[in-house]
Amino acid sequence: AQSVAQPEDQVNVAEGNPLTVKCTYSVSGNPYLFWYVQYPNRGLQFLLKYITGDNLVKGSYGFEAEFNKSQTSFHLKKPSALVSDSALYFCAVRDSTGRRALTFGSGTRLQVQP
Amino acid sequence: NAGVTQTPKFRVLKTGQSMTLLCAQDMNHEYMYWYRQDPGMGLRLIHYSVGEGTTAKGEVPDGYNVSRLKKQNFLLGLESAAPSQTSVYFCASSYLAGGPSGELFFGEGSRLTVL
Repeated sequence: AQSVAQPEDQVNVAEGNPLTVKCTYSVSGNPYLFWYVQYPNRGLQFLLKYITGDNLVKGSYGFEAEFNKSQTSFHLKKPSALVSDSALYFCAVRDSTGRRALTFGSGTRLQVQP
Repeated sequence: NAGVTQTPKFRVLKTGQSMTLLCAQDMNHEYMYWYRQDPGMGLRLIHYSVGEGTTAKGEVPDGYNVSRLKKQNFLLGLESAAPSQTSVYFCASSYLAGGPSGELFFGEGSRLTVL
């Protein structure tokens, strides 16, 4: 079975500081990994994905994520946080066969203080 | 560009009542999904469909039924609502051509309260 763990319920950072939101996964075979963001009272929006190739993936709004196969991790990062980045972030995984639907983590709330 | 539209956005039910949530997408996507979102549990897959006329069970299908009579619509039904079904429900869709690497497109959610 595939699974995702987001070990932090909430991450607090000051505006202008770098941020990291952690994600580890478990899947048979090669993983397809995704990050989504949810703003209050809205649906989830796609941020970025890792399929293959370069371990550092760049996405929307200045976010990037680093794939680490040996540590089965896919941490979300941003060099300089903005107050507007405050939201709920979800990591998700699917195996490369595509037979399974996307499995989501429990979510991490990012709070960026001015 | 409507994308994925869910109706209704809010609903309050009494235990035992039935209701249907409607999801409509205008992107000609083959795949459609229903998830529920509960605090601390992320999104859990209820049912999904890989094309018109097909449905399949997800992680938490009990108490729900679905139908995909038209490609653009995916209905989620609760035959006899229970308080445990109080949740926010999200519909999503994706391209077949995108394969397993394709991202999902989400609706804005339907908040259901069962008293």
